[in-house]
This record gives sequence, structure tokens and C-alpha cells, in this order.
Amino acid sequence: NAGVMQNPRHLVRRRGQEARLRCSPMKGHSHVYWYRQLPEEGLKFMVYLQKENIIDESGMPKERFSAEFPKEGPSILRIQQVVRGDSAAYFCASSPRKVGINSPLHFGNGTRLTVT
Amino acid sequence: EDKVVQSPLSLVVHEGDTVTLNCSYEVTNFRSLLWYKQEKKAPTFLFMLTSSGIEKKSGRLSSILDKKELSSILNITATQTGDSAIYLCAVEENNDMRFGAGTRLTVKP
Repeated sequence: NAGVMQNPRHLVRRRGQEARLRCSPMKGHSHVYWYRQLPEEGLKFMVYLQKENIIDESGMPKERFSAEFPKEGPSILRIQQVVRGDSAAYFCASSPRKVGINSPLHFGNGTRLTVT
Repeated sequence: EDKVVQSPLSLVVHEGDTVTLNCSYEVTNFRSLLWYKQEKKAPTFLFMLTSSGIEKKSGRLSSILDKKELSSILNITATQTGDSAIYLCAVEENNDMRFGAGTRLTVKP
């Protein structure tokens, strides 16, 4: 029973390029959450998706960032025209239902994005 | 294999009790250990531990790292119903961070 799979683990992009981060949730999980972690800080919520729908994108910058969770395939977090400030670790977590005390998050190992 | 193991998986206590949550890890190049409280969509950062034996405290919560035993504990004294949540432990090694499965704490009135 594979856990949450994120790839790539490390991604290096030059300023202005696009970054695509993938997240395959655990089997049976239809709820996906994306977080960003800056050095020495906690996890910052970005977006919550449930198969094919964006439920809450209140933590995601309005420009350059987008997320999707298609019917088939992994969830994708896309960052267009990356800037140095986008360098961070991006974590994906999944749950079988909306997250709560009875529906814990299962985290992937993250994708570390470095913008040069 | 699991590199970050939390115990117990689930715990039910009554208000006023003191609880101790455990996190043990097995990583090659340890950098830090973090504790989070997860109750809503964004886990709340609690502590970051890098040095062994130094207790970090915030109100009724405290945590300490034991690098020799490759473990950390999170203590909550005089628990309240608002402490009910899942407590996550994460360990940073090199450029990777690994999460434990969490301990589900339920505090009954």
C-alpha cells in the first residue's frame, strides 16, 4: 500500500521557467492538499482539491500558480515563470475525506524546488 | 520502511490529564525534528528541535529531543478539549522531510 508519492524529489529551474510538481495520493484518497514550507517556518496551506474540483485555493498566489487534480492521474501544482522567491519545499498530503481528527493527513516526502 | 514512527497512534484522556507523545526516527543525516498540531487544513507549527536535551516550552506544551535515543517527546499538561487534534512529528534530513503517521489525541470533558 504505497503512501503519498511526490515527484520529482528535487527540481531546479531557472528564473522564468515553469515548474510542475506531481502528487499521487494514497489509494482510495480523493482529497489532496498542497503546502509550502519555507526554511525555518511551518507549513503554509496553499490549495485543497477533491477529484476534479478546487475546493479552497485561499493560500495560493493568484498569479503564476495553479493546481489541478484530474479524474485520472496525479494532482499537479504548476508554477509559471518561477522567481527566486518560489524556492521552497512543496508538500502534498492526502486524506480519504475532508481533513479532521478522524481523517488524518498522509504526507508525501515533498518536492524541493530551487530557482536559480 | 517507516523512518518516523509515532506512538501511541491514538490516545483518549480527560481534561486535566497530562499526556506524553512519542516520536522516534531513523535517518542518516539528521537536521531537525518538528512537531505540528493538525486540526484543520493547515497543520500548526509547534516546535522545531535541533539540539539534544534542550527543552522547548510554549504554555502547557513542551518538547525535548534525545539524539542518542533518536527520539523526541511532546508533553501536554492540564489538557483541555481544545487540545484534541492529531499531532504530527516530522524529521528533516539533508533536503528531505519525513512525516510520521501522527498521534490522534482526544480530550474528553
